[in-house]
Amino acid sequence: QGQLVQSGAEVRKPGASVKVSCKVSGYTLIGLSRHWVRQAPGKGLEWMGSFDPKDGETTYAQKFQGRVTMTEDTSTDTAYMEMSSLRSEDTAVYYCLTLKISAVRAVRAEYFLLWGQGTLVTVSS
Amino acid sequence: DIQMSQSPSSLSAFVGDSVTITCRASQSIGNYLNWYQHKPGRAPELLIYGTFALHSGVPSRFSGSGSGTDFTLTISSLQPDDFATYYCQQSYATPITFGQGTRLDIK
Repeated sequence: QGQLVQSGAEVRKPGASVKVSCKVSGYTLIGLSRHWVRQAPGKGLEWMGSFDPKDGETTYAQKFQGRVTMTEDTSTDTAYMEMSSLRSEDTAVYYCLTLKISAVRAVRAEYFLLWGQGTLVTVSS
Repeated sequence: DIQMSQSPSSLSAFVGDSVTITCRASQSIGNYLNWYQHKPGRAPELLIYGTFALHSGVPSRFSGSGSGTDFTLTISSLQPDDFATYYCQQSYATPITFGQGTRLDIK
């Protein structure tokens, strides 16, 4: 069915940047939009934004506008999420996901089909 | 933004029990409602999509229902593997939003 394999844990100081990668494998996932979700310690899941590899369109949650960049290298089927001006509140596990579109009872459905294993980003001085 | 509210935030149950988790959206989302199971140290996994449809490989003891603003996830005959945190998520509009989660513990 496919797999999303993310890069390893990162530690950064406040104000620095981090770039997390997500290797996509499996033909069924190629071309699906990539999303990023994070979970801070003890908190719920927070959607950050998405990248559509078919047309390069990005959509970011307002909270992350100007601080996050989502891209994809289509030659290697690897998605990237880069966040700048890191602060301690950005300490979280970051997940890449693929969004699948299908139909349920003849009605459109959109859902996160697969998740990467998560990448812990720790921001600490 | 569409707010998703789950209840209860936590519950305890015995193996073999049946439990229901509720998810309410702040506005109508049609049937754009999905459920995920999350275990510590692992990535969340899709359980139910489009309110009703069971993802491939998910046991039939899981079921979803609802429409508009009110949705439920029911797990019948709880198994030891079911104790986890459950999240609802709407894909009706961006930003995509999740419920705060329901932690299901073994009693």
